[in-house]
Amino acid sequence: GAGVSQSPSNKVTEKGKDVELRCDPISGHTALYWYRQRLGQGLEFLIYFQGNSAPDKSGLPSDRFSAERTGESVSTLTIQRTQQEDSAVYLCASSGGQNTGELFFGEGSRLTVL
Amino acid sequence: QQPVQSPQAVILREGEDAVINCSSSKALYSVHWYRQKHGEAPVFLMILLKGGEQKGHEKISASFNEKKQQSSLYLTASQLSYSGTYFCGTGGEGSQGNLIFGKGTKLSVKP
Repeated sequence: GAGVSQSPSNKVTEKGKDVELRCDPISGHTALYWYRQRLGQGLEFLIYFQGNSAPDKSGLPSDRFSAERTGESVSTLTIQRTQQEDSAVYLCASSGGQNTGELFFGEGSRLTVL
Repeated sequence: QQPVQSPQAVILREGEDAVINCSSSKALYSVHWYRQKHGEAPVFLMILLKGGEQKGHEKISASFNEKKQQSSLYLTASQLSYSGTYFCGTGGEGSQGNLIFGKGTKLSVKP
């Protein structure tokens, strides 16, 4: 596609349920980032994939959070046993290389945990 | 490791200038600037790299002081469309460099 695509755009779930968020980066982009943005707050780094290297998971807030990426394509962010504090917009971004390239952000997945 | 931005918020009249600062406690390899309008995804403005290279839009200017580990974004002759939240992101050296963003600076331009 022309840009970074994320799905679902909106997800409402009950506390304790698992959710899966999907990101389709721009074709050919080797780097992929996940960020969390709570209402009115900044961009909180979660995880970074670069090519076939081991991902940088240093931003994942707890072991309930995990992410995978198949090669240089789709990535999924999974949140297990969701809590109300997980409510946020989850943004995915991709870029053509290392941290010297422009990041292209998706529109985000808005997660609401009731 | 999160860069610190200042000011947190600024209100301008159209035509006025503003400077947004970003500082880091660690050595910087790259500094990225993005603008986010309410309800939208962040949009790229500029990248500054160690060594002086810059990539970005012609109407945006910024500086990168490697020794002081600081960057500043200069907004001149502001327009209403400049309103939004500005984020700086800093990257460390090496191929495994992730990008950590500051908390943002909210800019409001009034007519």
